[in-house]
Amino acid sequence: DQQVKQNSPSLSVQEGRISILNCDYTNSMFDYFLWYKKYPAEGPTFLISISSIKDKNEDGRFTVFLNKSAKHLSLHIVPSQPGDSAVYFCAASGAGKSTFGDGTTLTVKP
Amino acid sequence: DAGITQSPRHKVTETGTPVTLRCHQTENHRYMYWYRQDPGHGLRLIHYSYGVKDTDKGEVSDGYSVSRSKTEDFLLTLESATSSQTSVYFCAISDFGQGSYYGYTFGSGTRLTVV
Repeated sequence: DQQVKQNSPSLSVQEGRISILNCDYTNSMFDYFLWYKKYPAEGPTFLISISSIKDKNEDGRFTVFLNKSAKHLSLHIVPSQPGDSAVYFCAASGAGKSTFGDGTTLTVKP
Repeated sequence: DAGITQSPRHKVTETGTPVTLRCHQTENHRYMYWYRQDPGHGLRLIHYSYGVKDTDKGEVSDGYSVSRSKTEDFLLTLESATSSQTSVYFCAISDFGQGSYYGYTFGSGTRLTVV
């Protein structure tokens, strides 16, 4: 049973536009939600996180939104840049566990 | 970034042979993790450590063992490699454990091919 799902394997957007990456989870006990970015041949890099008691967290061009009633979170990147092209992993943590989604490949076209 | 290094970066090995992957950190973080990444499966936890000589199993631990004799080193051993263990292996470190707001720092990965 996959507790964290990223239903879109890929996303393509134009440079300067908004990128929205989505993630759904099933376990209401998660306390924190995190996003990582991964370039080819490198390890994932922590990007941003949000506590379950918040509904929004912002860091520069990156904003994460949490909808607890829908068990859904999203990462918004505005404006998107070609350097943002990477695989983005959603993760959920709590009760001593951390679970990752399968990732979404974002391509930002110049 | 030299805070966490994995060796080797690439390895090809034969079915049935033992293989050891090494993770070395210079951050003095308490927690260390081994993950594998496979297409369609994201990152799955193999084993983790919460201190020297303190380790526990993750969700895909069968066929793997680990050891942590020093804070800075976490070794992953495939006791008898099988083709299903062909994967990219990532080591990660953190100061706050799994259920945390703070993310992990990952190494660059080891691409292992079992033929």
